Amino acid sequence: DGGITQSPKYLFRKEGQNVTLSCEQNLNHDAMYWYRQDPGQGLRLIYYSQIVNDFQKGDIAEGYSVSREKKESFPLTVTSAQKNPTAFYLCASSPDRGRGNYGYTFGSGTRLTVV
Amino acid sequence: RKEVEQDPGPFNVPEGATVAFNCTYSNSASQSFFWYRQDCRKEPKLLMSVYSSGNEDGRFTAQLNRASQYISLLIRDSKLSDSATYLCVVNGRDDKIIFGKGTRLHILP
Repeated sequence: DGGITQSPKYLFRKEGQNVTLSCEQNLNHDAMYWYRQDPGQGLRLIYYSQIVNDFQKGDIAEGYSVSREKKESFPLTVTSAQKNPTAFYLCASSPDRGRGNYGYTFGSGTRLTVV
Repeated sequence: RKEVEQDPGPFNVPEGATVAFNCTYSNSASQSFFWYRQDCRKEPKLLMSVYSSGNEDGRFTAQLNRASQYISLLIRDSKLSDSATYLCVVNGRDDKIIFGKGTRLHILP
């Protein structure tokens, strides 16, 4: 079945460490997104990519980095510069290069906790 | 005015009742509208798109009011399993997708 796979489901990070969250899709979607959700809050856009080898900053990109070397994959690195990384991270994709006409498909998320 | 606004709730509704909630948006040029459902500690899932003429999917009805710039979701004969947070999604300026913060719905037995 087609879908988006995020791993790991739970991730614990020590202060000062970089960690990478995986996002893989087999939907053949052009556009991919990373969102962050804090308890009781809405989704905030971190980075997005509408095509391979290209990506743009979202509303809260500081302390994060991404790459888009393959259409299927859009990993997110949470760097030590991100001061408050504990959150629920959601990866999404859409078929129409971000025009939003078809809605988004989400992965099941990664819950990151700083210890 | 916020780009997308929703009443956060919670709406506490007895099982079997009808419940409706609205979502207002600020960009009059928006063309795509959706309702998503998010269960506690899970990812959002597309519930339904919202079409200009309104649309229905079983117990769920979605409507768009362009003049007043809001969309609505109506749930009839509510079930315990309808308890969730409902997210309004609109494409805003530059086709950027904007998520509302959601409306929490609790169906009471």
